Amino acid sequence: DIQMTQSPSSLSASVGDRVTITCRASESISSNLNWYQQYPGKAPKLLIYTTSNLESGVPSRFRGSASGTQFTLTISSLQPEDFATYYCQQSDSTPYTFGQGTKLEIK
Amino acid sequence: DVQLVESGGGLVQPGGSLKLSCAASGFTFSGSAMHWVRQASGKGLEWVGRIRSKVMNYATAYSASVSGRFTISRDDSKNTAYLEMNNLKTDDTAVYYCARHSGGLQYWGQGNLVTVSA
Repeated sequence: DIQMTQSPSSLSASVGDRVTITCRASESISSNLNWYQQYPGKAPKLLIYTTSNLESGVPSRFRGSASGTQFTLTISSLQPEDFATYYCQQSDSTPYTFGQGTKLEIK
Repeated sequence: DVQLVESGGGLVQPGGSLKLSCAASGFTFSGSAMHWVRQASGKGLEWVGRIRSKVMNYATAYSASVSGRFTISRDDSKNTAYLEMNNLKTDDTAVYYCARHSGGLQYWGQGNLVTVSA
């Protein structure tokens, strides 16, 4: 199975900050990497699919990129509604494993 | 509007069985791959499995933790996907989500709590 190592596990930041979350795959997954946002008690929401494609309705401050097997989610200027937990997921081969999650908290 | 409405969760004893349903509307269900994802309380997301569409021969795949115990099926005439869970263990206690795959897991159900306890 492909392992997804996500870091950091938690992150404190302020409104207006630029933040970066990283996900590393244990082997090549091409560009088949997705990012999700989840609030407590709610279903996850797709933010970015296949590395860098913004899901419809997602603000442009969210950006995805990759370098080899390392994938990055960048939020350019944090807004109050961005404080949530973020997950990466590879969809290259089953099982479609998730990263461990990054909890983004207000500083 | 797109909707995925899950049902069938509840309390079951270890070793028991349960079948979850996921009723879809607002998109072309028959052409969509459907996935199941679960989340134990306070934990991260765990992919459970998926079923592809008819053109992909309804191919299924499962995580190692549920393979041989869980079965995913679908009824395109009812726009519904199913997750049949057998020989349930306490570690299967979680909120179970169904989701439609398009690029990523684009649409999600509201979640359905399954509790496995004596």
